[in-house]
Amino acid sequence: AQSVTQLGSHVSVSEGALVLLRCNYSSSVPPYLFWYVQYPNQGLQLLLKYTTGATLVKGINGFEAEFKKSETSFHLTKPSAHMSDAAEYFCAVSVPRANAGGTSYGKLTFGQGTILTVHP
Amino acid sequence: GAGVSQTPSNKVTEKGKYVELRCDPISGHTALYWYRQSLGQGPEFLIYFQGTGAADDSGLPNDRFFAVRPEGSVSTLKIQRTERGDSAVYLCASSPTGRETQYFGPGTRLLVL
Repeated sequence: AQSVTQLGSHVSVSEGALVLLRCNYSSSVPPYLFWYVQYPNQGLQLLLKYTTGATLVKGINGFEAEFKKSETSFHLTKPSAHMSDAAEYFCAVSVPRANAGGTSYGKLTFGQGTILTVHP
Repeated sequence: GAGVSQTPSNKVTEKGKYVELRCDPISGHTALYWYRQSLGQGPEFLIYFQGTGAADDSGLPNDRFFAVRPEGSVSTLKIQRTERGDSAVYLCASSPTGRETQYFGPGTRLLVL
C-alpha cells in the first residue's frame, strides 16, 4: 500500500521568500505523484503532477516539484511567495495500473496537508 | 465548461438518520471518485466508478456506506444510520477515462448531530 507524509502541518514565510513544502512517499511500485492546493471553501485544484519522464515538473502559479526516487521525495517549491499563495497544500500518490485501454491513474492517497501562511 | 458539482453544499442531520449526497461529474467523464475529508486531515478514498460499475470500493468504511451511478453520469453516496463520526467533507472527483488528472468538486459538508 502507498502512503504520503508531509513534514510540517504549518509553514509560514514572508512575501517574496522561498516556499518549500516537503513530501515523502512510500510505494511498492513506481508511483504517480501530485500536488493539489485547496483555498478556503473551494475544491482541490491540481498544481502539478509527475507521471513519467522529466523529474522536475513545473506547475501553475510558479510552483515546481522534483521527483527524487532515491530520497522517495516530491518537495514543492516556489522561488518567491505571494500573498495569494496562502492556502492548504496536499501531496498525493497513486499507483498506476496498466490495462487494455492504457494506464489508469488509480485512487489518490493524500498526505495530511500543509497550511501555508504568507505574511507581509 | 462546467466543473464537478455537488449537492447539497451543506447537510445537517441527526444521528441515526439516512442521507444522500449527489455528485454531477464533468460531462463525458467516465471515471468518478468519492473521497472523505475529516477536519485537519487529507482526503481519504472511498470508491471509484468506471462507467456504471464500482471498479474499486475498498475505501468504504463499513456497510452503512453505499454509492451508485446507475447511468454512468450522476452518482449518489448513501449513508445509513449516520454516526457523529461520519461528519466530514465528502468530495467527488471525475476524470475523462481514469487515465488522467482527477478534477474535484467543492464538496458536501456533512454534520451529524
